[in-house]
Amino acid sequence: AQSVTQLDSQVPVFEEAPVELRCNYSSSVSVYLFWYVQYPNQGLQLLLKYLSGSTLVKGINGFEAEFNKSQTSFHLRKPSVHISDTAEYFCAVSDPAYNFNKFYFGSGTKLNVKP
Amino acid sequence: DARVTQTPRHKVTEMGQEVTMRCQPILGHNTVFWYRQTMMQGLELLAYFRNRAPLDDSGMPKDRFSAEMPDATLATLKIQPSEPRDSAVYFCASGLVGQGAHDSGNTIYFGEGSWLTVV
Repeated sequence: AQSVTQLDSQVPVFEEAPVELRCNYSSSVSVYLFWYVQYPNQGLQLLLKYLSGSTLVKGINGFEAEFNKSQTSFHLRKPSVHISDTAEYFCAVSDPAYNFNKFYFGSGTKLNVKP
Repeated sequence: DARVTQTPRHKVTEMGQEVTMRCQPILGHNTVFWYRQTMMQGLELLAYFRNRAPLDDSGMPKDRFSAEMPDATLATLKIQPSEPRDSAVYFCASGLVGQGAHDSGNTIYFGEGSWLTVV
């Protein structure tokens, strides 16, 4: 089974500063990778995904992520954050061993953007 | 704008009562998931269905939880009897996933959740 590690449970950052949220997964085989965002009292929304192709993936709200196969990482970045980016961010992996049916989620990183 | 619809959005019930949560997946999606989210455990996969057939419910307490898909437009998660430790947010998600899915698929989309409190 896959495992997804989000090392930082909380990341405080000032508005307009850059941010990186880290995600590592356990398997070196081909996987699909995702970042979701959860605003307070809401469901999870897809930010971006990597299925194949370019290792740099751009998503909504100015976020991007880079797939690094050798380091089994999929870190999320934004060059300049806004107060409205305050939310919890989840990294997820879909597992080819289960015909990509099974999705594994990390424990989440709470991004707190301060004015 | 297609979305996963969950009902009820909020439910407060007494211990021992039956609770049924419903989910309408996005039309055309072949896979439906039930997740539970708590502060302590984070997101836990309870069960999932492919083409309405249960594929894995190993994350679900078997004695009190049951999940079904009576038809392609409805998935249900039932707790009987409910206990205070079942208090959580229950999410349904659906997607067109699997090796045969187009690259634009293989993604799951979440509903807004059912917020359950058992007192």
